[in-house]
Amino acid sequence: RKEVEQDPGPFNVPEGATVAFNCTYSNSASQSFFWYRQDCRKEPKLLMSVYSSGNEDGRFTAQLNRASQYISLLIRDSKLSDSATYLCVVNMYSSASKIIFGSGTRLSIRP
Amino acid sequence: DVKVTQSSRYLVKRTGEKVFLECVQDMDHENMFWYRQDPGLGLRLIYFSYDVKMKEKGDIPEGYSVSREKKERFSLILESASTNQTSMYLCASSLRTGAPGANVLTFGAGSRLTVL
Repeated sequence: RKEVEQDPGPFNVPEGATVAFNCTYSNSASQSFFWYRQDCRKEPKLLMSVYSSGNEDGRFTAQLNRASQYISLLIRDSKLSDSATYLCVVNMYSSASKIIFGSGTRLSIRP
Repeated sequence: DVKVTQSSRYLVKRTGEKVFLECVQDMDHENMFWYRQDPGLGLRLIYFSYDVKMKEKGDIPEGYSVSREKKERFSLILESASTNQTSMYLCASSLRTGAPGANVLTFGAGSRLTVL
């Protein structure tokens, strides 16, 4: 089983739609969780951290379910500029920094 | 404003050559990482380092070694390059675990290596 798994997509949705991605992780001791965004031919950049209580940043909402070991990202009112690959990221250890990426979910927003 | 610098954007090497990929960060970060990124496989961790002269294997260390002699520099070494090491290599750094903002990675622009 992969340490971090994501649906690769692609998701192709119209502008204004709401889209959700899920990600599962294998190590129940994992402590830190993130969503990164990667544009074509660019390096990944942090989109948002994921906190136990869930957190929101504008149109983006991230949630963590420790019992089921999954993380989700919800994008509301999607924009053309949201087209990118979204990477789920997990720090597998509590005391060190083995940071593992999911393989990414590709999102394409159409006009 | 560049914070993580990878020395080469594009390299072409021959099978069997020794290859050095250099990464330098100017943010005084404790942690540094090397990933490779391949289509359909995402980013896979090769090695990481949480301190000078310290290194830990990631998920795919075979065929690679690393060196961290100074805090700001983390080098990836391919002792004898093979065609299956053709890939995009990404270096990243972060603050140590437990520090505010820890584990947030800053990436370099990447080094695309082609092994013929």
